[in-house]
Amino acid sequence: GQQLNQSPQSMFIQEGEDVSMNCTSSSIFNTWLWYKQDPGEGPVLLIALYKAGELTSNGRLTAQFGITRKDSFLNISASIPSDVGIYFCAGQLNSGNTPLVFGKGTRLSVIA
Amino acid sequence: DTEVTQTPKHLVMGMTNKKSLKCEQHMGHRAMYWYKQKAKKPPELMFVYSYEKLSINESVPSRFSPECPNSSLLNLHLHALQPEDSALYLCASSTGPNAYNEQFFGPGTRLTVL
Repeated sequence: GQQLNQSPQSMFIQEGEDVSMNCTSSSIFNTWLWYKQDPGEGPVLLIALYKAGELTSNGRLTAQFGITRKDSFLNISASIPSDVGIYFCAGQLNSGNTPLVFGKGTRLSVIA
Repeated sequence: DTEVTQTPKHLVMGMTNKKSLKCEQHMGHRAMYWYKQKAKKPPELMFVYSYEKLSINESVPSRFSPECPNSSLLNLHLHALQPEDSALYLCASSTGPNAYNEQFFGPGTRLTVL
């Protein structure tokens, strides 16, 4: 099946540092979504992207839909302890009834 | 109301038990989903309901039986499960089943099969 390559797999950063993670694919996606999941909870939608080249912010979070439609990145600025969690990218291949494809996640740890 | 709710939060069951997981949303969404998530893995799609009809079954074993009684409710009936079925079961919903519709997840049911 389709796969998204998400990197890095894990990150350990100091509080206040900026963070960047990305997802790439060999396929063209119509939609990119970024989720954050806390332990024992469901994923929470952070940012949704629908157009190639689109750059969208949500507070300290910024995500972009790659111009080739095969990649996306998520940046977190000035990290804080509550940013700890697993971040998943997810993409949808075309406009039809196709399920989301998830990346394997980036586990973020913030050291105070 | 902008959330997906799931009950129960935790469930422990034996391999001979029959139980059900419940999911509810009142956002007027017409697509609802069941996912299974193992530890440190991304969610894996199990079923998709579109306009209350089953549209995708990702080759899920018959011991998992989904049901969509109405546009707001989604159930997952469990029978004769195996210990390897222990996982976090997530429900999600979206405006419609197509692209350009964000999926919103519930908090999940942590299932343990003994």
